[in-house]
Amino acid sequence: DAKTTQPPSMDCAEGRAANLPCNHSTISGNEYVYWYRQIHSQGPQYIIHGLKNNETNEMASLIITEDRKSSTLILPHATLRDTAVYYCIAKSGSARQLTFGSGTQLTVLP
Amino acid sequence: ETGVTQSPTHLIKTRGQQVTLRCSSQSGHNTVSWYQQALGQGPQFIFQYYREEENGRGNFPPRFSGLQFPNYSSELNVNALELDDSALYLCASSLQPTGNNSPLHFGNGTRLTVT
Repeated sequence: DAKTTQPPSMDCAEGRAANLPCNHSTISGNEYVYWYRQIHSQGPQYIIHGLKNNETNEMASLIITEDRKSSTLILPHATLRDTAVYYCIAKSGSARQLTFGSGTQLTVLP
Repeated sequence: ETGVTQSPTHLIKTRGQQVTLRCSSQSGHNTVSWYQQALGQGPQFIFQYYREEENGRGNFPPRFSGLQFPNYSSELNVNALELDDSALYLCASSLQPTGNNSPLHFGNGTRLTVT
């Protein structure tokens, strides 16, 4: 699976949109981009995934660039409960596992 | 819908001992994966179980073993515990072993401390 690169930390004001970037310049055509988050002392929580089209669900939006070399996870109205480590992962359909990197520590400030 | 549950939540063992961790998969999920998460790092894949057999393994020694039962629940066994085995052990279930239509759903883990 392709390596992903994320900033180690970001801050966001409560109520504002949080935009978390991820670079995956070596992603292959059959690899999806997944986002998970991990709140302190809990297991990772699935957020969203996509291949090349933008995706939206009740939690977030995923914007993937046309060349698929990078993506952005958008939390439209961040709350204090969104403070967590956010992981961006590239995964092919044949892979059995998720390969986690170090992620981005998002801190939502009051 | 019942989520992934793990037991125990915390455990303290002595170096050289053996430990068994348990996981109940989410309702309807037939695949279980185990991950190890050391402090300050992302989770690392240990292995996956599907149809009661190991169906893929990460870079972990044979003293890490597992079982899956007919009801899809699973156990992780670690023999000859080492200090570096101290970590959060996460179980995740999914509808199928591969593909992109079945995201993993994780439990909250078992915190193992080896002294």
